[in-house]
Amino acid sequence: DQQVKQNSPSLSVQEGRISILNCDYTNSMFDYFLWYKKYPAEGPTFLISISSIKDKNEDGRFTVFLNKSAKHLSLHIVPSQPGDSAVYFCAASAGNNNDMRFGAGTRLTVKP
Amino acid sequence: GAVVSQHPSWVICKSGTSVKIECRSLDFQATTMFWYRQFPKQSLMLMATSNEGSKATYEQGVEKDKFLINHASLTLSTLTVTSAHPEDSSFYICSAFIKDGYTFGSGTRLTVV
Repeated sequence: DQQVKQNSPSLSVQEGRISILNCDYTNSMFDYFLWYKKYPAEGPTFLISISSIKDKNEDGRFTVFLNKSAKHLSLHIVPSQPGDSAVYFCAASAGNNNDMRFGAGTRLTVKP
Repeated sequence: GAVVSQHPSWVICKSGTSVKIECRSLDFQATTMFWYRQFPKQSLMLMATSNEGSKATYEQGVEKDKFLINHASLTLSTLTVTSAHPEDSSFYICSAFIKDGYTFGSGTRLTVV
């Protein structure tokens, strides 16, 4: 069963604009959420995370928002840069074991 | 949607024994399967890429003789941790590329005692 869903397979934005990547989850036990970035021929690299006790976490151009009631989180990239073009995965974990469930990914293309 | 079924979800084994982890593509054919290992602070390391009918491609630093990968059919890829040691304890995840993105297995938590 897909407990973590990224319903948009791809997203294209103009350089300098905001990129918003969305993620939905079904398991209410998830209490830690992560975003990963993946370039071709490489494994996903950790980008930013958020605990369920927060609703926002910001790191430079990247901000993750968590809406627990809607079981929804989003990653905002402002301003978007061509180097941000990659596949972004949303992941979630529950409890202390940190074992993660992943979404299918969203391919972001930032056009110059 | 495309599903990768990964088993077992967790396993405890004694040091020195071998453990096999299976990933099956249930409703699609996976010519390529990626195997990852999760490290602390949520870092995810690509261990190897398995290709159906050919040898796996291992990432630098991954011991081929220790982490045996077999991709004998279009629906099954296996990772065998041979002569497991406590430092091999980790969370292992497989993933396949599908038409609209990637699909991940549910992961295997390996504990070597």
